[in-house]
Amino acid sequence: DTVLTQSPALAVSPGERVTISCRASESVSTGMHWYQQKPGQQPKLLIYGASNLESGVPARFSGSGSGTDFTLTIDPVEADDTATYFCQQSWNDYTFGAGTKLELK
Amino acid sequence: EVKLVESGGGLVQPGRSLKLSCAASGFSFNDYWMGWVRQAPGKGLEWIGEINQDSSTINYTPSLKDKFTISRDNAQNTLYLQMSKLGSEDTAIYYCARGPGYNSYYWYFDFWGPGTMVTVSS
Repeated sequence: DTVLTQSPALAVSPGERVTISCRASESVSTGMHWYQQKPGQQPKLLIYGASNLESGVPARFSGSGSGTDFTLTIDPVEADDTATYFCQQSWNDYTFGAGTKLELK
Repeated sequence: EVKLVESGGGLVQPGRSLKLSCAASGFSFNDYWMGWVRQAPGKGLEWIGEINQDSSTINYTPSLKDKFTISRDNAQNTLYLQMSKLGSEDTAIYYCARGPGYNSYYWYFDFWGPGTMVTVSS
């Protein structure tokens, strides 16, 4: 299985820029997607194909990377962005990362 | 508006079976792959499996293949998950989600239901 590794937690101040990383154990080309999950809610798609912004998602969110290293960037961060962010790969079957919990200072 | 609503969750005894449903509306159900994902309390997301538009292709994560069965009824716009031999490790929120349509290059879920909780306990 392709294992996706994410840092467990980050804390930033509103208005700052934050990057959330996801590293794959093997190449997934650009088959990487990002979801936001707020407490008590279902996941919401943010980015697909590594860098494509899902319709309706604010342009503050962006994605980059290919192969094994991927990044989700939020710039600027807003208070409403408090959530857990999951990466998911679809190049070698389908797996999710464990999630990065983003907290606002 | 795309809407997915799961139902059928609840408390079930170990070793028993349970069938979940997902009612879809707001889009052409038979044009999309559909799938199930679960999330144990306080944990991450686990891919269960997916089914294509005409049910000719159904895939499961290997560890769940012998316990879970995914099906769909396009006439009723409904997705199903039949679960058997349930154990405490199956306690989770079960989400129904919409996969790609025809000619999609990437595989991801673009809409998710609110989920239904399944608790396996005696």
